[in-house]
This record gives sequence, structure tokens and C-alpha cells, in this order.
Amino acid sequence: KAGVTQTPRYLIKTRGQQVTLSCSPISGHRSVSWYQQTPGQGLQFLFEYFSETQRNKGNFPGRFSGRQFSNSRSEMNVSTLELGDSALYLCASSSTTGLETQYFGPGTRLLVL
Amino acid sequence: DQQVKQNSPSLSVQEGRISILNCDYTNSMFDYFLWYKKYPAEGPTFLISISSIKDKNEDGRFTVFLNKSAKHLSLHIVPSQPGDSAVYFCAARYNYGQNFVFGPGTRLSVLP
Repeated sequence: KAGVTQTPRYLIKTRGQQVTLSCSPISGHRSVSWYQQTPGQGLQFLFEYFSETQRNKGNFPGRFSGRQFSNSRSEMNVSTLELGDSALYLCASSSTTGLETQYFGPGTRLLVL
Repeated sequence: DQQVKQNSPSLSVQEGRISILNCDYTNSMFDYFLWYKKYPAEGPTFLISISSIKDKNEDGRFTVFLNKSAKHLSLHIVPSQPGDSAVYFCAARYNYGQNFVFGPGTRLSVLP
């Protein structure tokens, strides 16, 4: 089975721009979660989608949004980028919304200049 | 306020010895815990989990211990191997269906 894939792997943007990241979960998995990883902060939960519905949401501003398509692929959008948004963005999929075991993709490293 | 803490940012251990990674949490409602390992340029990989109804779970060289009264869990790796060198994250969740809260990670270096 193919693992979780994320595109692009690397991205450089400037302040004020917006960005869209994509995540394809493991085949058959219906839950996709997004995390932001910054040095010393661990993984901060952004949101989780299950069957095209947002089920959980972390404490991030409204500039961070996401969606899930009928094939379970998910996109995450960040508008009006700030320098502090520079981070590794990870998505993880699981077969149920219980998030019992999440399988992570390799991440998208975003650099905001 | 970090609900899951890993107070040691880094740890060095000699090959063949035991590695002990610690994790403390503040929310007594947490009932399920995971450990992940992360290599550079890769996503975290699931290692082992433990439910709050247990105090120990073992999988090969990896054992996780849970002390609910102390709100503390630890991951033991025996024997440690150079390939275990990675960043280790613990994560906790307080209810089925809720998101996991991750600690900041501990970088383990296993020296040959």
C-alpha cells in the first residue's frame, strides 16, 4: 500500500501571499489530520477531516483552513502568510476518526520570506 | 501551556545500552498515549501505544511504561542501536475522537 503523500515537499513564499498544500492519504483511510511543526514546539494540531467534514480543530487563526474531497484527499490553505508560518506541515491519515494510529506523510517545508 | 512535556531536548546513549525517554502530562483525562519516531526529512513513524488501563506495553526492543498517578510515561529502548538515533515524540489524547496533543520531542543519539 502506498503511504501518505504530500505535495509540494518544499515551498518558498513571501509575506502576504497565500499557499495551498495537498495531502493524499493511504488508500481506504478516511481521516486526514494536519499538523504544524516548528523547532521546540513539537507538532501543533491544525484540524482533522473525516468524510469531507471538519471534525476537530486546533487553536490556529482563521487564516488556516482546509478541506477534504470525496476521494479523501485533503488540502490546507494559509492566507496572508506571516514569517511565523514558516514550518514543516505534516498530514496524517487514519482509517477511522478515532485517530488510533496515524500514519504521517513526509511533510511540506514552507519558508516565508 | 504545554499539556504534554518532554523535558529533555536531547539524550545520548552508548550502543547496546538502555535508552529511557520521558514524557509528562498535565491533563489527568488523557487516556491513550502514543510514541512516534522521526528521522530528518521524513514524517513521524508510529512506534508503540498504551491505554490508560495498562501500565506497561511491550513490542520487541520498545517498552512503554505509564504511571497515571504521576502523570508520567516513559519509553525504554533495549538494546539501543545507532539506527534508533532520531527525534522521539510522545502524544496523548483524552477521548476517543479527539485530536492528539504532542510533546516537543527528544532527540536521541545512539553512539557506536
